Order: sequence, then structure tokens, then C-alpha cells
Amino acid sequence: QKEVEQNSGPLSVPEGAIASLNCTYSDRGSQSFFWYRQYSGKSPELIMSIYSNGDKEDGRFTAQLNKASQYVSLLIRDSQPSDSATYLCAVSGGTSYGKLTFGQGTILTVHP
Amino acid sequence: DTEVTQTPKHLVMGMTNKKSLKCEQHMGHRAMYWYKQKAKKPPELMFVYSYEKLSINESVPSRFSPECPNSSLLNLHLHALQPEDSALYLCASSQTSGVNEQFFGPGTRLTVL
Repeated sequence: QKEVEQNSGPLSVPEGAIASLNCTYSDRGSQSFFWYRQYSGKSPELIMSIYSNGDKEDGRFTAQLNKASQYVSLLIRDSQPSDSATYLCAVSGGTSYGKLTFGQGTILTVHP
Repeated sequence: DTEVTQTPKHLVMGMTNKKSLKCEQHMGHRAMYWYKQKAKKPPELMFVYSYEKLSINESVPSRFSPECPNSSLLNLHLHALQPEDSALYLCASSQTSGVNEQFFGPGTRLTVL
């Protein structure tokens, strides 16, 4: 079992729809959870951090964390073509203290 | 200033060359990281420096040699690389190694001939 798994994708949604990206992790000691966006040929950009159970909203982005289910998700409302990118889930803490463990990434395409 | 800078942006080197990658941050962060990223894969951690001391080496071959001259600078010295080392090399920083909100630089695209 991989330490951090993301829905395999690629994910394609129409403009204006909600894109839902999912991530599960295996280490129950994990404490910090991040979503990065990476455009093709560019470096990862931090878009959301979440540390406690529940929802965290920032503009069109909502991160959801459920530590009991070892599940973290990212919702993108009113998706735009500019949201087309690879989204990386990253986890820290537990056996990954002091470093990030990344999932394989989900490629999102938002079509007009 | 919330930026991590890296130079050069692109680097082409032969297998016998010696070159260095440079990274700089002015956010007062005390943890800095080197990652390697191959196409369609997530970043792969190479080294972690915490308070200018090497704290994590993910069993990286000795042809990669990191250096942290001060709290703002991080270098990666390259020697006798192989073509399979061609990748995007990313530098990142965070407030401390325990606070892992990491910010990435733009990366150096390395090609080894």
C-alpha cells in the first residue's frame, strides 16, 4: 500500500463545475496535510494547508480532512481552464516528520 | 518577500563536468530542501537542512553534494553525473523542518549528456 494515494485521474470537468480531488494516507500519525498545484514545466505551488478535522475554505478552494478515515480532499468550485494542472497531495508528521510525502498527483483538465 | 530563487534555470552538462545549483530564500526560514523531480512523477526528497545542518539524506549518491553556507543559501554540487540524473531539481524552504509548509523555487532543469 502506498503511503499517500490520490485518485488516479486524469480528471476532466467542464468550466464552472466542481472538481473533487481525493487523497488517502496510511500513517495515522500524520499531522499536516497540503495541496500543491503544479502547472506543466513549473514548480509546485502551495494552495492549501490543513491540520485539523473539518473543512477549510480559501476562495474557490475547500480542503476537507477526516483523520479517522485517513482522508483529505480538495474541492475546486467554479472550475476555470486556468485550474488545469497536476494537483499533488502531501502529508507530513508521523514517520514522515520533517519531510513531505507526496501522492502521485492527479491531472485536472477543465474544458470550456 | 515570499520567494525562493534558483539559478541557473537550465543546465546542460557532460558526465565529466562539475557544476553547482544555487538556491536562495529571504523569508527567514530555517529549513531548506533539495528535491529531484522526473517527468510525470512527484518530487522526490534528496536532502534536508535544518538550522544549516544536514538533517536528512535520503540515500542520495555521493555524486550529489549539498552545502548550506548560511541560513539563506543552499547549494547542490554535481560531479560525474549520469544521464538518468537528468531531471528538474527543486529547492524548497519552510519556517522550520517541523513546520512543513514548504515553498518551492522555480527549479533548475538539468540535462546530463
